[in-house]
Amino acid sequence: SQQGEEDPQALSIQEGENATMNCSYKTSINNLQWYRQNSGRGLVHLILIRSNEREKHSGRLRVTLDTSKKSSSLLITASRAADTASYFCATFPLEYGNKLVFGAGTILRVKS
Amino acid sequence: DGGITQSPKYLFRKEGQNVTLSCEQNLNHDAMYWYRQDPGQGLRLIYYSQIVNDFQKGDIAEGYSVSREKKESFPLTVTSAQKNPTAFYLCASSITGITYNSPLHFGNGTRLTVT
Repeated sequence: SQQGEEDPQALSIQEGENATMNCSYKTSINNLQWYRQNSGRGLVHLILIRSNEREKHSGRLRVTLDTSKKSSSLLITASRAADTASYFCATFPLEYGNKLVFGAGTILRVKS
Repeated sequence: DGGITQSPKYLFRKEGQNVTLSCEQNLNHDAMYWYRQDPGQGLRLIYYSQIVNDFQKGDIAEGYSVSREKKESFPLTVTSAQKNPTAFYLCASSITGITYNSPLHFGNGTRLTVT
């Protein structure tokens, strides 16, 4: 069963705007990761946030984690056309062994 | 450059035939994984291996088989028992499957079409 669920399913914005994607999960986790997938390609790891962290930054990316609400958000600031991709959250559930569980993803389209 | 190589990129087979997807990594990673991705869905784990000569079933292992005879190689065979084999298959690796905080590195996938 899938642990993470992203919201929205699809997002279309203008270049330069910020994009926010949300992820909700069901059980306690060890960490939460965000990945990007360009069309027809493999996934690329973006950022990992541990369960004892609340916020993490990497370049134009900002990830927050609220374990009490079992949710995370990914913010991409000053978006570019090259950010057009699908974005997935993935969790390491504490009681699921060594397996990363992926959500269905958010499709982001940045219009130039 | 270190990375994961999946071949071929596109694969076409007739129903009833077994087919093997190749996955090779030169990252010296211990753990390797096979995921299946269907349109509009997330990734589902087929098999994973934490060390050579050992592997475990994931969530959708039925109709698939793997081997891990070498650290750098983790081929996936899609057998005729798999009812809906047409999908995008992704191979991944991580430094270790034991350490929860190691991210996955992915290959660029093999798109399998069975008719």
